[in-house]
This record gives sequence, C-alpha cells and structure tokens, in this order.
Amino acid sequence: ETGVTQTPRHLVMGMTNKKSLKCEQHLGHNAMYWYKQSAKKPLELMFVYSLEERVENNSVPSRFSPECPNSSHLFLHLHTLQPEDSALYLCASSPRIGQGLEQYFGPGTRLTVT
Amino acid sequence: DAKTTQPNSMESNEEEPVHLPCNHSTISGTDYIHWYRQLPSQGPEYVIHGLTSNVNNRMASLAIAEDRKSSTLILHRATLRDAAVYYCILRPGDVYDKIIFGKGTRLHILP
Repeated sequence: ETGVTQTPRHLVMGMTNKKSLKCEQHLGHNAMYWYKQSAKKPLELMFVYSLEERVENNSVPSRFSPECPNSSHLFLHLHTLQPEDSALYLCASSPRIGQGLEQYFGPGTRLTVT
Repeated sequence: DAKTTQPNSMESNEEEPVHLPCNHSTISGTDYIHWYRQLPSQGPEYVIHGLTSNVNNRMASLAIAEDRKSSTLILHRATLRDAAVYYCILRPGDVYDKIIFGKGTRLHILP
C-alpha cells in the first residue's frame, strides 16, 4: 500500500466503549498528526508527533489518548466518548515538522458516538 | 494565525481552465501558501504550495502576487473529478506547523 491508510473507515461506538483508531504511513515520513473534522467546525489539530515524540497537544480531552510506537504508525485510543465527539478523524504525515512542508492525509475514520 | 479569504463557491465548465483566488493580506514573511482540496467523503489532498515564486506541478499551478497578499490556484483543464472544496492555507515555516482550514471554495464542474 502507498500513502497514508486509516482503519477502520467507519466506527459506531457507545459512550462506555473503548476503541482504537489506527493510522499507518508508507511514505517514510518523520511527523504524524491527528485532526478532527466536524460539520460545525473547521479542521482541528489534535496531536503532533515527531519521531515518535509528542510535540503538541492542543488541549484535547483525556478521553482521547494517542500512541506512536514508531514513525510509521499512529493510534488514537478512545474511551468514554460523548456524542459531540462524533466526527471525521483524520491522520496526516509530513517529511518532518516545520518548514511549511506539505501534509499527506489519510481517508479518515468516520466516528459516530451513540 | 494569519487568515485567508476565499469565495464560497465557483463554477466552471469541464475542460476549461479554473482560477481559484485567495486573499491573505496579513501574511508574514515566513508563511508558506498551501492549497489542499477535499473531495466528498475523503481526507484532504495536498495540491501545491509556494513561498514567493510561482510554482507548477502535475496537478496545478500557483501564481503568487508580488506583494504576497494574494494568490491564485490554476487548474489548467478542469475535469469532473476536480469538483471539491479547495482550501487556501498559510503555513508558518517555524517548528510547530499546523494546518488551519477555513471554509474554502466549493468548486462545481459543469459537464
């Protein structure tokens, strides 16, 4: 596979469930990102990782927990979510952070919290 | 963060060139101008970016005004697959870069 892949593409979960979103990039990039895109708000950056180290956490609630075991994989662990967390969750990667480099996005996971 | 202004929507005929404008009057000297597009039910797709000089790639061309306060994305020959929301974004060149999407321009392609 090429580019940035995300699984699952669709997820429906109850507020008491625990689930994880997975992202994998096949581009040899060193930086990875989680974004949230909802109908009512523009794209929101959630987390930034550079070489498996978290470099930014944009005041995201603790019910979202990221994990970056290596530079190719990124996870977003979800627990005790709220209905307003329903959104499209996008993963992206770039060669490295900084220098205004382009980011390559995955197709997203459409999350519905019931 | 510096903001951009784009028209809400535009229409173009298939196989004709499309010029998508973007105003960014508060751009700083280290901001890169990026364009992304998002097709329905897909993640954003990188299109092109530049700093000061005009840029060309296989997808599009980017024309940057001399004062850098505006730019234009040029699709040389629009196809139906180019129908999407196009976002013009300013990206700082320093360490913490984040993409902030505005509302973008919804491009409709007429067959």
